[in-house]
Amino acid sequence: AQSVTQLDSQVPVFEEAPVELRCNYSSSVSVYLFWYVQYPNQGLQLLLKYLSGSTLVESINGFEAEFNKSQTSFHLRKPSVHISDTAEYFCAVIPPGGGADGLTFGKGTHLIIQP
Amino acid sequence: DGGITQSPKYLFRKEGQNVTLSCEQNLNHDAMYWYRQDPGQGLRLIYYSQIVNDFQKGDIAEGYSVSREKKESFPLTVTSAQKNPTAFYLCASSIDRNYEQYFGPGTRLTVT
Repeated sequence: AQSVTQLDSQVPVFEEAPVELRCNYSSSVSVYLFWYVQYPNQGLQLLLKYLSGSTLVESINGFEAEFNKSQTSFHLRKPSVHISDTAEYFCAVIPPGGGADGLTFGKGTHLIIQP
Repeated sequence: DGGITQSPKYLFRKEGQNVTLSCEQNLNHDAMYWYRQDPGQGLRLIYYSQIVNDFQKGDIAEGYSVSREKKESFPLTVTSAQKNPTAFYLCASSIDRNYEQYFGPGTRLTVT
C-alpha cells in the first residue's frame, strides 16, 4: 500500500516570491507521481506528472516538480508566484500497473498568495 | 468537448431524505470514481468502478450506494444512513486504473 504526506497544510507566500510545496510518499514498489490543483469550488486539474525519464517535470504555467527516489519526494516549486496561483494543491501516487482503487492522495496544501 | 459533468453544482436536502448525485463522462473511460472532500481531510474514496456493471467500495462507502449501468454514467446516492452527508463530492474517471484521473467540477451537498 502507498501513502502520501504533504507536510504543510497551508503555505502563505508574497506575490512574485518563490514557493516550494512538499510531498513525500511511502511505497514498497516504484510509483508514478502527480500534482493536481484545485481552485475554489472547482474540481481537480492535473498540473504535472512523473512516469519515467527525466526526474524534473514542468507544467505550462511555470510550476516544476522533481522526483527524488532516495528521499521519496516529489516537491512542487515555482520561482515566482502570481495571485492567480492561490489554490489547493494535491500530491498523488499510483504504482505502475495500477493500484486496486487508483490514486492515493495527500491531504492537500493550501497556497495563499499575499499581495 | 470531452469531459466530466456533475449536476447539480449545489444541492440542498432535508435530513432523512435520499439524494442522487449525477456524474457523466464522454471521455470513453472505463474507470470511474466518487470522492468526498471535507476541509483539511483531502479526498476520500467512496466507491469506484473499473467496468460497467461492476463497482467496489472505497474507504468510506457506508451510507452511500452507486450503480454503473452505462459506461458514461456513475450516479451516487447518498442515503439517510449517511450520518454526516454535508460535503463536497467529486467524480473522476480514468482510461483504466493505471492512469491519471480526470475530475468533474463537483457537487456541494448541504443537508439540514
